[in-house]
Amino acid sequence: QKEVEQDPGPLSVPEGAIVSLNCTYSNSAFQYFMWYRQYSRKGPELLMYTYSSGNKEDGRFTAQVDKSSKYISLFIRDSQPSDSATYLCAMSEWDSSYKLIFGSGTRLLVRP
Amino acid sequence: ETGVTQSPTHLIKTRGQQVTLRCSSQSGHNTVSWYQQALGQGPQFIFQYYREEENGRGNFPPRFSGLQFPNYSSELNVNALELDDSALYLCASTIAGGRNEQFFGPGTRLTVL
Repeated sequence: QKEVEQDPGPLSVPEGAIVSLNCTYSNSAFQYFMWYRQYSRKGPELLMYTYSSGNKEDGRFTAQVDKSSKYISLFIRDSQPSDSATYLCAMSEWDSSYKLIFGSGTRLLVRP
Repeated sequence: ETGVTQSPTHLIKTRGQQVTLRCSSQSGHNTVSWYQQALGQGPQFIFQYYREEENGRGNFPPRFSGLQFPNYSSELNVNALELDDSALYLCASTIAGGRNEQFFGPGTRLTVL
């Protein structure tokens, strides 16, 4: 079993839809939670960062962390065709190595 | 502010050869991590460098090695290349003791024939 599980998709939605992306994890020591967006053949771009539990909002993006359920989510409101990309969740423990553990990514397609 | 840069963009090697990939960290960042991303997978942690020393290593064999220089730039060296080493190699930088927000470069795509 992988430490971080993520549905690979693809997830296809019409423009303007609300998108929900999710990850589950097994390591209760994870404290930092991040979402990255990766366009084809490019490096991951940091979208959202959350420490411990709770919600964080930034424009059209909302990140949620539920540590009791070991479940994190990213919501995208008013989705745009330019949001079409692979979304990677990443997590790390509170230690000195700053090692990120990634999910396998969910491919999102927003149709015009 | 200068972002993370990597060179070269693409590289083609044959089995058994050696390769060196380079990374310049984001301005002000003193910690560099390297990741390997196979097609259709998430990045896998190779190792991290802080103050020019290895500071954590993932499940990769010793033929994967690295260096960090006083200006915080870094190299990833891979010896005795294997076909399975074909992947996108990503460099990420952060500030030690900070929020562990890691910023990635565009990657180097390595093909081993």
